[in-house]
Amino acid sequence: GAVVSQHPSWVICKSGTSVKIECRSLDFQATTMFWYRQFPKQSLMLMATSNEGSKATYEQGVEKDKFLINHASLTLSTLTVTSAHPEDSSFYICSARDRSGSYEQYFGPGTRLTVT
Amino acid sequence: AQRVTQPEKLLSVFKGAPVELKCNYSYSGSPELFWYVQYSRQRLQLLLRHISRESIKGFTADLNKGETSFHLKKPFAQEEDSAMYYCALLSLSGTYKYIFGTGTRLKVLA
Repeated sequence: GAVVSQHPSWVICKSGTSVKIECRSLDFQATTMFWYRQFPKQSLMLMATSNEGSKATYEQGVEKDKFLINHASLTLSTLTVTSAHPEDSSFYICSARDRSGSYEQYFGPGTRLTVT
Repeated sequence: AQRVTQPEKLLSVFKGAPVELKCNYSYSGSPELFWYVQYSRQRLQLLLRHISRESIKGFTADLNKGETSFHLKKPFAQEEDSAMYYCALLSLSGTYKYIFGTGTRLKVLA
């Protein structure tokens, strides 16, 4: 149980275009989802927290207009990287927390974004 | 300030040797701490949480409030333990997010 999927697993886009990454909780309802960015051989950097039906809470230094987050349902959150630039190339990971009250996060497999 | 420190980026041990991955935290209040593991090309998965006081895959971790530490230990390392290990602190303010340490790569040598 408690599986989180991400789609796509790997995407290449041209500079200036936008790309959307989906995060789904497959077998549970997630009131809260988190988006992280992971640089090679480095730790996870929390970008934002999204709660179903409300605006995302962004961490300091993360551009809200560049990284658009939508959590439209209890099983789906999306991250859209707008006007992507090569420096946005990274590994993006989402996690989800279920409604049971436990604070454990279940992680997706990640999405590798390469901006050319 | 809320912070998690993992002082070692890389830890290499021989198979069968004891392992200790260090984690120190800074938190005002009663902390909730976790260890996550990321095997090569796999997603992060929960290894231990301090409130469970469990042993998973031979690993244990004890919360030491006096030393503000939550070190991960295993008496006899196995090659399959080679992975990236992250210590995480649950922040009980705001969004109840995790604060991750920078991670320690464990290499178990044959």
